[in-house]
Formats: sequence, C-alpha cells, structure tokens
Amino acid sequence: QKEVEQDPGPLSVPEGAIVSLNCTYSNSAFQYFMWYRQYSRKGPELLMYTYSSGNKEDGRFTAQVDKSSKYISLFIRDSQPSDSATYLCAMRTGTASKLTFGTGTRLQVTL
Amino acid sequence: DGGITQSPKYLFRKEGQNVTLSCEQNLNHDAMYWYRQDPGQGLRLIYYSQIVNDFQKGDIAEGYSVSREKKESFPLTVTSAQKNPTAFYLCASSPPVWDRGRNGYNEQFFGPGTRLTVL
Repeated sequence: QKEVEQDPGPLSVPEGAIVSLNCTYSNSAFQYFMWYRQYSRKGPELLMYTYSSGNKEDGRFTAQVDKSSKYISLFIRDSQPSDSATYLCAMRTGTASKLTFGTGTRLQVTL
Repeated sequence: DGGITQSPKYLFRKEGQNVTLSCEQNLNHDAMYWYRQDPGQGLRLIYYSQIVNDFQKGDIAEGYSVSREKKESFPLTVTSAQKNPTAFYLCASSPPVWDRGRNGYNEQFFGPGTRLTVL
C-alpha cells in the first residue's frame, strides 16, 4: 500500500463548478501538507501549504486537513479553464525535508 | 531572477549510454532533490542532498548517481544500469527545515524538468 493515495482522474467539470480533490495517507507522522499544481510538461508549483489540522483559504482555493482521518482536501471555487492541470498532494514529517507525493489528479475544466 | 534551471529540456539517449542532467539554482538553498515522474505514478525521489559534499539515496536510486560539489549545482547521471530510464526528471531545492523562508514555510521549488527518451 502506498503511503499517500490519490485518485488519478481525469476529473472533468464545467466552468464555474466547485472542484474537490482529495488524498489519504497512512503515516501519522506527517505534519506538513501541500498541494502543487502542474501544467502539462512543466514543473510543479506550490499552491497551498498547511501545517497540522484545519482549513486554509487563499482566494478561490481552500485546503483542509483532517489528521484524525488522515485525509486532506483541496477545494477550488468558481473553477476556470486555466485551472486545468494536474494537482499533486505532498506531505512531510516535522523533521524531514523530503516530501512524499500522491500520484496527482488530472483536472479538466471545460467551457 | 532567482530560480532553478534544468538542461537540456529534451534529451535522447541510446541504450547503453550514460547521460548527465544538469540542475542549477541561485536561491541560496541548502537542500536539492531529484525526482522522476512517470504517468500514473506521481513523483518518486531518486536522490537528495541537504548540504554540499553530502547526499542520500531516495526511493529509487538504483541506476542513478549524483554529485554535490557546489551549493548551486546538483547534476544527475542516468547510467546504463537504469533499466527503464525514459521519464520526466524534475529537480527541486528548498531552504533548511528550520528556515521557514520569506513566506513562513519550507517550500520545495521545482525546475522546468528534463524529458529523457531512450531510443
């Protein structure tokens, strides 16, 4: 079993929809949780960064962490065609610098 | 402009050849990483280095080698021992874990990637 599980999709939604992307994990030592966005043939870029449990909002994006369920989510409100990309969840422990990534979910927002 | 550069963008290799992928950063980061990305498998860590002249194996180090002679540079060599080298290779760097950086957190910054194809 992988340490981090993420549905690869693809997920197709119409413009303006609310998108929910999720990851589950098995290592209870993970404390820092990230979402990266990766456009085709490009390097990933950091979208959201959360420490421990709770919610964090940034514009149209909201990241949620539920450590008791070992479950993290990224919500995108009012989705736009420019949001079409692969979204990777990543996480690390408090002492390690290396990240463990999910497989990524490919999102397509259609007009 | 501060950032990470990778070269070349595309690389073709014949079977049995070694090739070296370049990664340079001017962010003054101590830590650097190499990942491999295959369809449906996300990013897998090959090697990482927390400081000059020191590096550790990641999850899939077999068939790869690295060096870290300068803080700015972390080249990756894909050797002929790597059985399935065709993939997208990503380099990243980050400040130390104890350094939360300008934004208040420890972030890994990625380069644009090198797509390696074995012919």
